[in-house]
Amino acid sequence: DQQVKQNSPSLSVQEGRISILNCDYTNSMFDYFLWYKKYPAEGPTFLISISSIKDKNEDGRFTVFLNKSAKHLSLHIVPSQPGDSAVYFCAARSTGGGADGLTFGKGTHLIIQP
Amino acid sequence: ETGVTQTPRHLVMGMTNKKSLKCEQHLGHNAMYWYKQSAKKPLELMFVYNFKEQTENNSVPSRFSPECPNSSHLFLHLHTLQPEDSALYLCASSQGASDLYEQYFGPGTRLTVT
Repeated sequence: DQQVKQNSPSLSVQEGRISILNCDYTNSMFDYFLWYKKYPAEGPTFLISISSIKDKNEDGRFTVFLNKSAKHLSLHIVPSQPGDSAVYFCAARSTGGGADGLTFGKGTHLIIQP
Repeated sequence: ETGVTQTPRHLVMGMTNKKSLKCEQHLGHNAMYWYKQSAKKPLELMFVYNFKEQTENNSVPSRFSPECPNSSHLFLHLHTLQPEDSALYLCASSQGASDLYEQYFGPGTRLTVT
């Protein structure tokens, strides 16, 4: 059973518009969420994160929103740029102690159209 | 060299072969991870090492054997693999234990078992 779900395998957005990537989770023990971006032939790179004590975190063009009651988070990219075309992974962890691995979603392939 | 490096980048092996994947991090991190990404599946955590001690084994078959001789190096020894083990194997590291820092990923090793 997937604990982190990204239900859109791909998303196409016009350059300059807003890209919204969604992620749902089922494990209520998750209290820290991250977004990673992956280009072909490279490993995922960290983009932005949010702790469960917050509902929003912003970093430049990237904003992550967390709705704990709905167990839903989203990544907003505005304005979208061609270099944003990549696969975006949502990941979650529970910070109960120790070095824990991340639980990932399947990813959403974002395509920015010129 | 900086970041997380993995060798080899591509590996083709028969089911009776023995091979090893190598990961090295140059970030001064204390935790290292192995993940597996199969086609159309999320990244799956395999092993976690914290200060050279294995803290998590995510029900991985014994034909995968990790080794962490020091905080900078992580190996994944492979023997008698099955074709379904063909996947992208990603190594990651993070700073400290029980931390909220992101994980830094290597580029991965694309493994094909014939």
